[in-house]
Amino acid sequence: QPQLQESGPGLVKPSETLSLTCTVSGGSIRAETYNWGWIRQPPGKGLEWIASVHYSGSTYDNPFLRSRVTISVDTSRNQFSLKLSSVTAADTAVYYCARSYIGPWAPGEWGPGTLVTVSS
Amino acid sequence: EIVMTQSPATLSVSPGERATLSCRASQSVSSNLVWYQQKRGQAPRLLMYGASTRATGTPARFSGSGSGTDFTLTISSLQSEDFAVYYCQQSNNWSPITFGQGTRLEIK
Repeated sequence: QPQLQESGPGLVKPSETLSLTCTVSGGSIRAETYNWGWIRQPPGKGLEWIASVHYSGSTYDNPFLRSRVTISVDTSRNQFSLKLSSVTAADTAVYYCARSYIGPWAPGEWGPGTLVTVSS
Repeated sequence: EIVMTQSPATLSVSPGERATLSCRASQSVSSNLVWYQQKRGQAPRLLMYGASTRATGTPARFSGSGSGTDFTLTISSLQSEDFAVYYCQQSNNWSPITFGQGTRLEIK
């Protein structure tokens, strides 16, 4: 089982871009049979899927966030990343990275999550 | 957007008893329904996928059923470690993947 670990700034100013990286260890991000993705959870609230990507470059994203989201894969570093632009306080959340078998999204491996606070 | 509605919001059950959690989709998701368990301060844990297939490591006391718009997660005999928040998620439509609001399972 691979391990996933999120990293990035814990504090982002309003209107700036949130950037997070998920490092995969114990497995290759180039695996054909997996998609990788980001999910977030505002404090005390439920889960929201943000976007998913296959190492080949295929992406799926939440249409409600699409204009602000970029998801990408860096196979040389065995990482994938999330950029969310023009953040507001509503983007404050724990951000999780996760891995799912290709096909219907059902991630069995998750990172521990990282809290990102949007505040000036 | 497919809206997922879970009921009840909170369920109080005694250890050893059966718990039944419901999830309803605003339109058919076929059998593309996923259940997660989340404990405080932890990432969600995959319990069930394809509505009724247990994920690796999910105990046999967990069972899932349903198709189309109505789904159920049943825990046959609650153990202390089962008290948590449970989320359903539809995986039938990528635009977007959506979750229910969660059911908190608490000790009675």
